[in-house]
Parts: sequence; structure tokens; C-alpha cells
Amino acid sequence: GAVVSQHPSWVICKSGTSVKIECRSLDFQATTMFWYRQFPKQSLMLMATSNEGSKATYEQGVEKDKFLINHASLTLSTLTVTSAHPEDSSFYICSALTTPGTSSSYNEQFFGPGTRLTVL
Amino acid sequence: QQPVQSPQAVILREGEDAVINCSSSKALYSVHWYRQKHGEAPVFLMILLKGGEQKGHEKISASFNEKKQQSSLYLTASQLSYSGTYFCGTLTNSNSGYALNFGKGTSLLVTP
Repeated sequence: GAVVSQHPSWVICKSGTSVKIECRSLDFQATTMFWYRQFPKQSLMLMATSNEGSKATYEQGVEKDKFLINHASLTLSTLTVTSAHPEDSSFYICSALTTPGTSSSYNEQFFGPGTRLTVL
Repeated sequence: QQPVQSPQAVILREGEDAVINCSSSKALYSVHWYRQKHGEAPVFLMILLKGGEQKGHEKISASFNEKKQQSSLYLTASQLSYSGTYFCGTLTNSNSGYALNFGKGTSLLVTP
């Protein structure tokens, strides 16, 4: 299957700082990537949809000014948590959508390994 | 809208079978099943694209009843490695494309 990487895998930062998380599709091009957040023992919640070359679409309740998303190329999307606070501590996971024909006849989502953010 | 999974949690002894259900109040166009180990990202198990479809991989299989808007995941002769949280995901079509909405998950523990 297709491979998606995330960097960093784990970050600890002080309250008030900004953190950038990268999501890369390593062996395919992804015009669409998704950012999810998962709190302990909860499900993955979609935060936003990132489309290459256009503005991200945020889900209801997600602050676009706090979670900045940039999808500058077909293989890279970044999520920047601005002025992070302890309540932003979570597991952030990206996924990339393949196009039919890449690895199958339909769209598939492949997930990155996740980034664990801890804000002190 | 988030699909509903049941049961919330199940404990099995190695070799036993389990069924995890996923249902939606909206029409389902496809169902995706994932397994997540603690601290790791979800791993894709299988996708079911149309009603009546059944798929299987080794001793894990799934069915999709489009009319009933539900899918079931069957784990047969469970192994220790099956432990984890199982999520079903349904596609939602937004203005930006397709995103997965996940159920709350079913925690499965297989014991020796």
C-alpha cells in the first residue's frame, strides 16, 4: 500500500508556542489530505480537509486561525498549531487520499503514523 | 454523521470469535474498517463498496448490508494480535471531497 509519513512523531512544547506538523505522501501524489485529532480513548475526529493549491476546509468547531493548514504541493500538507495550550495536547493524524488507479480502482485513505503533541 | 458501533468493548480468549457491528442513520455508500493499536495510527483492514459485498482477509471478514445501512466485521478464531480498537468509517461527501467519519470504536482484547 501507499506510504504516508508524519514529522515529528512526538513533540513537547511550552504553552504559547506554535508547532508545525508535516504530512507527506511518499510514493504517490495526494491532492487531498485530511487532518484528524484523537484524544485518549476516543475516536478520530476530522478537523479539516486539505486540498493542494487551495484553502483548507475546516469542520464545525475547529478554529481555522488556530490550526493553520498549508497544502503547498501534491505530497506535503502541514498543520501548524498556533499558540498551543495544554488543551491542544492530543494525537494528530493525517491521511492522504489516493486517486483511483494509484493502487486500486477506488479512492483509498492511508494514514500517517501520527504526531503526539504535549503542551506543558 | 458519526456511525454507531457495537459493542463498545469485548474480551475474548484466543481462538474465540467476535462480531463488531457498525450502523448509520444515513445512506451508506461504502464502509471502511480499520484497526488501531495503542499509540499508533489506524491500519486499513478492508473496504466494502456496495450492498451485499463480503470480503475477507485470513480470518477477518466483513459484510455490508446497504439496505439496513450497516456493516459487520467478523473475527474468527481470534489471535492475540487481533487486540486493538476497531473503527468503522463511512465516507461523507463534502464540498471539498470525501472524508471519513469514524465510529467511536470497539475495543477488543484477546487473552491467552
